[in-house]
Amino acid sequence: GQGVEQPAKLMSVEGTFARVNCTYSTSGFNGLSWYQQREGQAPVFLSYVVLDGLKDSGHFSTFLSRSNGYSYLLLTELQIKDSASYLCAVRDSNYQLIWGSGTKLIIKP
Amino acid sequence: AQTIHQWPVAEIKAVGSPLSLGCTIKGKSSPNLYWYWQATGGTLQQLFYSITVGQVESVVQLNLSASRPKDDQFILSTEKLLLSHSGFYLCAWSLATGHTGQLYFGEGSKLTVL
Repeated sequence: GQGVEQPAKLMSVEGTFARVNCTYSTSGFNGLSWYQQREGQAPVFLSYVVLDGLKDSGHFSTFLSRSNGYSYLLLTELQIKDSASYLCAVRDSNYQLIWGSGTKLIIKP
Repeated sequence: AQTIHQWPVAEIKAVGSPLSLGCTIKGKSSPNLYWYWQATGGTLQQLFYSITVGQVESVVQLNLSASRPKDDQFILSTEKLLLSHSGFYLCAWSLATGHTGQLYFGEGSKLTVL
């Protein structure tokens, strides 16, 4: 069946980096999106990728490998305020979004 | 600029009571509209979507219904709440012609059913 998998939790240290992984298996692929969701708040769009490779957007970068069904979101120069859940969502052949359960990123000083 | 507003922000309701949640989008004509549900700590679950006034497609019903009475309004309702309806309800919009996957979410409505 279709699915988007993410690790539940990830810990890192302020000033360093964090890589949030996402693996997917869907019927068709029409792009992958990353969202940030803080506790009790709505998700906020971060990035969209549809082609293989690394997309650098400064503080956030996104990598995609369609042949491996794999993406990651890379956050650099981490700040405490980057602590949040990061959601991966894949658009299938019917343009339906399949959501991962999110990775809670905990950043320590 | 486009804005999306949900109401109410939070509700505490009794099992068996009715519910109505609303969502209004301003500054965007004929958007695609969506209702999502998220249990505490859970995955976003799409409930309904609408591409035009009067047309609503169900993805997962969960004993809920949705309507789009106006181009800029999306309503989620039920006659009888269940305990399992507790959670965070999110309304979202996207461009009708966009396939980038970018959704713009409202602030959400937190529902507690007792």
